[in-house]
Amino acid sequence: DVKVTQSSRYLVKRTGEKVFLECVQDMDHENMFWYRQDPGLGLRLIYFSYDVKMKEKGDIPEGYSVSREKKERFSLILESASTNQTSMYLCASSLGTGVLNEQFFGPGTRLTVL
Amino acid sequence: GNSVTQMEGPVTLSEEAFLTINCTYTATGYPSLFWYVQYPGEGLQLLLKATKADDKGSNKGFEATYRKETTSFHLEKGSVQVSDSAVYFCALILYNQGGKLIFGQGTELSVKP
Repeated sequence: DVKVTQSSRYLVKRTGEKVFLECVQDMDHENMFWYRQDPGLGLRLIYFSYDVKMKEKGDIPEGYSVSREKKERFSLILESASTNQTSMYLCASSLGTGVLNEQFFGPGTRLTVL
Repeated sequence: GNSVTQMEGPVTLSEEAFLTINCTYTATGYPSLFWYVQYPGEGLQLLLKATKADDKGSNKGFEATYRKETTSFHLEKGSVQVSDSAVYFCALILYNQGGKLIFGQGTELSVKP
């Protein structure tokens, strides 16, 4: 079974802190994605990556950056956390980019910024 | 632009009731359509999918039919169980979008015994 793991289930940080959210997948998937989930808004794509060291902006990249130094690991970075970044963050991975390539999701990290 | 609209929740049903969650979409191309489910405390799981008009996706007693003429992909189940309580997301993907999913806002379902 594909497994996508995220480093923390719950995280509390202070405004202005630098925050790292880590995601690891164990199935040699090419593509990895970071979403944030907010009530009434569904999931919105922050960044995605098709390959090591490659990244593409999603729909809401402002205030975030990403890093993919190894194929299995995709990190989301909040350079200076703000209260409006309090949210649930979901990582996903897929084998390819075709429409039949299912995305597999991690359990999520609920981040609270005080 | 491309978007997905779902009926608002929460939806509360009694066990064995019939379920419909409406989903409509707007797309510039010819999308594939998905339903994902998120059980409490977990990530999203793919529930079912359909890739062309009139396709019916089905899984775990849930069904949805890709209706191009009404741009809809409504989720149905004939008899819900308490274990179906979850948040359901409708989503689309387009060939020229590089594998990016576009999600609806989610519909919370609560099934009471």
